[in-house]
Amino acid sequence: DTGVSQDPRHKITKRGQNVTFRCDPISEHNRLYWYRQTLGQGPEFLTYFQNEAQLEKSRLLSDRFSAERPKGSFSTLEIQRTEQGDSAMYLCASSRTGQGSTEAFFGQGTRLTVV
Amino acid sequence: ILNVEQSPQSLHVQEGDSTNFTCSFPSSNFYALHWYRWETAKSPEALFVMTLNGDEKKKGRISATLNTKEGYSYLYIKGSQPEDSATYLCAFKDNQGGKLIFGQGTELSVKP
Repeated sequence: DTGVSQDPRHKITKRGQNVTFRCDPISEHNRLYWYRQTLGQGPEFLTYFQNEAQLEKSRLLSDRFSAERPKGSFSTLEIQRTEQGDSAMYLCASSRTGQGSTEAFFGQGTRLTVV
Repeated sequence: ILNVEQSPQSLHVQEGDSTNFTCSFPSSNFYALHWYRWETAKSPEALFVMTLNGDEKKKGRISATLNTKEGYSYLYIKGSQPEDSATYLCAFKDNQGGKLIFGQGTELSVKP
């Protein structure tokens, strides 16, 4: 399967714990995005990378959130000291850069529940 | 703050009905408008990427139009089928960066 894969698919954690999610993009894609989606809303932008460089981070993202893409391949998203408001679907997507705008390919997401 | 709005929020139609949704986005600094279909328990899947004012794109029974001067796009589904049931998302990209800004989606339910 050469699609975007995310791990884990589901995560239940206690409030205050740290969690880390992984995203493996399509191998030839140099852009990688993280989004968060809550019920009834569209995906909300969190951050994106071009290769290993983090080019933009949402101002809505608190300092408890951090993302890395150390070798320009897979990426991790860490949430420290989780809160109940962090419960959401976390989506990863990847795309190529090139002439025009290219479509993003999404993973199936990681559903986080903070209890 | 970039605002992308979709209407309606949800739509219930009978099999065979034709339907359309609206996406409105900022008309300044436009770069591209994407449409995605998101079925339950699956990944969002790209339908169209539109960049030029007046663009019309078609994939089977689904088509989309784009008006960048007034900041809207329409998605049309002709003869809806139950398998068209999904959330349809539009996403705007401006010429300042690489991120997509999504609307809240239109949830379509097609009853047999």
